[in-house]
Amino acid sequence: EVQLVESGGGLVQPGTSLRLSCEGSGYSFDDFAMHWVRQVPGKGLEWVSGISWNSEKIDYADSVKGRFTISRDNAKESLYLQMDSLRSEDTALYYCIKDGPGGWYGGYFESWGQGTQVTVSS
Amino acid sequence: EIVLTQSPGTLSLSVGERATLSCRASQNVDTSYLAWYQQKPGQAPRLLIYGASYRATGTPDRFSGSGSGTDFTLTIKRLEPEDFAMYYCQQYGNSRWTFGQGTKVEIK
Repeated sequence: EVQLVESGGGLVQPGTSLRLSCEGSGYSFDDFAMHWVRQVPGKGLEWVSGISWNSEKIDYADSVKGRFTISRDNAKESLYLQMDSLRSEDTALYYCIKDGPGGWYGGYFESWGQGTQVTVSS
Repeated sequence: EIVLTQSPGTLSLSVGERATLSCRASQNVDTSYLAWYQQKPGQAPRLLIYGASYRATGTPDRFSGSGSGTDFTLTIKRLEPEDFAMYYCQQYGNSRWTFGQGTKVEIK
């Protein structure tokens, strides 16, 4: 069974940094692209960033480009999101996601973690 | 960026009824990259349909997806009590992933 467990969320002030982590298990971690998707409670879903299985292809939403950095360590079966220059609008539940099979990206979000809450407020 | 518009915003139906959810794209979407998700309160979204029409593992066969180009549909043949939830469509193209705003299927 695929399991994705996020950690690292919390309450931080605007302009500061936070690093999210996600540990994957129950599948061959280095065979699949990974993503972060966020959701403001009671609102819709927003894709944040994706990374291919070998880290050669990395993509960001325009809303976080230049502030967030996605990375992965296949040996540790872990995904990361370094979030710098945080803003109040980054407040959301952040989900770690396993991509579907195929190419750089399978194109869909096959398995989801339970999420970690990030709150940016002074 | 491709914008996905879902309709209706809310669908009020009874158990046993058929539900038809629409997802319209602002540009053509490759059918390989159109997916549907179900989300219940307090839970993470769950993949239902990928490639526009392929059921994900564990998706009951009362759920079906169809469509191409800019118009896609999720159909729930006969609603069960556990199907009342929020549903999102999602597409991938040009290194961008976008979601529709969601359709809430509620009990009438």
